[in-house]
Amino acid sequence: DVKVTQSSRYLVKRTGEKVFLECVQDMDHENMFWYRQDPGLGLRLIYFSYDVKMKEKGDIPEGYSVSREKKERFSLILESASTNQTSMYLCASRQPTGGTDTQYFGPGTRLTVL
Amino acid sequence: GDSVTQMEGPVTLSEEAFLTINCTYTATGYPSLFWYVQYPGEGLQLLLKATKADDKGSNKGFEATYRKETTSFHLEKGSVQVSDSAVYFCALLFGNEKLTFGTGTRLTIIP
Repeated sequence: DVKVTQSSRYLVKRTGEKVFLECVQDMDHENMFWYRQDPGLGLRLIYFSYDVKMKEKGDIPEGYSVSREKKERFSLILESASTNQTSMYLCASRQPTGGTDTQYFGPGTRLTVL
Repeated sequence: GDSVTQMEGPVTLSEEAFLTINCTYTATGYPSLFWYVQYPGEGLQLLLKATKADDKGSNKGFEATYRKETTSFHLEKGSVQVSDSAVYFCALLFGNEKLTFGTGTRLTIIP
């Protein structure tokens, strides 16, 4: 089975701190994604990566950056955390096979910014 | 742009009741359609999918049929259990592009 792991289940940070959220997948998938999940808004895509060292902006990239130095690892960075970035963050990976492929999700990191 | 509209929750049902969660989509062309489920404290996992018109996806007693004429992909289950309590997300995908999710429907089943 595909396994996607995230470095923390719960995280509490202060406004202005730099925050790193790590995601690792063990199935050699090419594509990786970062979403945030908020009540009433569903999942919104922050950034995604088609392959190593590649990144694309999603729907809400402002205030975030990403890093993908190795195929299995995709990091989300909050350069200066703000209270409106309090949310659940979900990482996912996928091996593209022509449009019907499945995304596999990690368990999520619930981030609180005070 | 592409979008997915789900019925608003929360939905509360008694055990063994019939479940329908409505999902309609707006897209140019014919996307693949998905239902994902998120159990308490967990990430999302794929429940079922359909890749073309009239396809029926099924898993764990849940079913959904890809209806091109009504641009819908409603989720149904004949007899729900307490263990089905979760948040359900409808989503669409074009080619190798990104998934577009609905806002999610929280389902609670009462014994």
